Amino acid sequence: GAGVSQSPSNKVTEKGKDVELRCDPISGHTALYWYRQSLGQGLEFLIYFQGNSAPDKSGLPSDRFSAERTGGSVSTLTIQRTQQEDSAVYLCASSLGSGRYNEQFFGPGTRLTVL
Amino acid sequence: QQQVKQSPQSLIVQKGGISIINCAYENTAFDYFPWYQQFPGKGPALLIAIRPDVSEKKEGRFTISFNKSAKQFSLHIMDSQPGDSATYFCAASINNFNKFYFGSGTKLNVKP
Repeated sequence: GAGVSQSPSNKVTEKGKDVELRCDPISGHTALYWYRQSLGQGLEFLIYFQGNSAPDKSGLPSDRFSAERTGGSVSTLTIQRTQQEDSAVYLCASSLGSGRYNEQFFGPGTRLTVL
Repeated sequence: QQQVKQSPQSLIVQKGGISIINCAYENTAFDYFPWYQQFPGKGPALLIAIRPDVSEKKEGRFTISFNKSAKQFSLHIMDSQPGDSATYFCAASINNFNKFYFGSGTKLNVKP
């Protein structure tokens, strides 16, 4: 149906709290990506899923960050013990396949603010 | 360390003018170079992409120029329109990898 959706659209939390960000990919898309977009910066790759598996977790900034994907569909990015430097827009994208020529379709992002 | 360097950070162009955004990279293993367009409050969307076996690719008013020896590529927007006002990101990826390295973005403002 519609494009990639993400929730919440905005999240304000206090330092030290845990947060969960959700991504609903386009139906039928097997690949799912998480990126972080800090103010004035480009997109920073975090993690990539093919189905429910994550072949590449190299972009996760620290062990406070984790992600899972269930049923080959919805994905959740969890940030534990949030820090102020975690404040950013978190973008999710999905694509039909895992090849790099498969266009990635991005969601609108979740703006996370850590006070 | 930024793998892809993009300039300028911001750009103001008059309607009908040419907008030019430049990107440079160091890793010669990169072999796919897409450009993304992002409007406020939206996720980026693929605009146009090029592979290094060609020096230029054109789609409508948008053209990518690629200089393999200089390790540079650029986006040209001809006859720029106010509706083109957005942030543009260049990116690069390596064969068989699904990881894209993005530039820091260029905010384009096309004045009517």
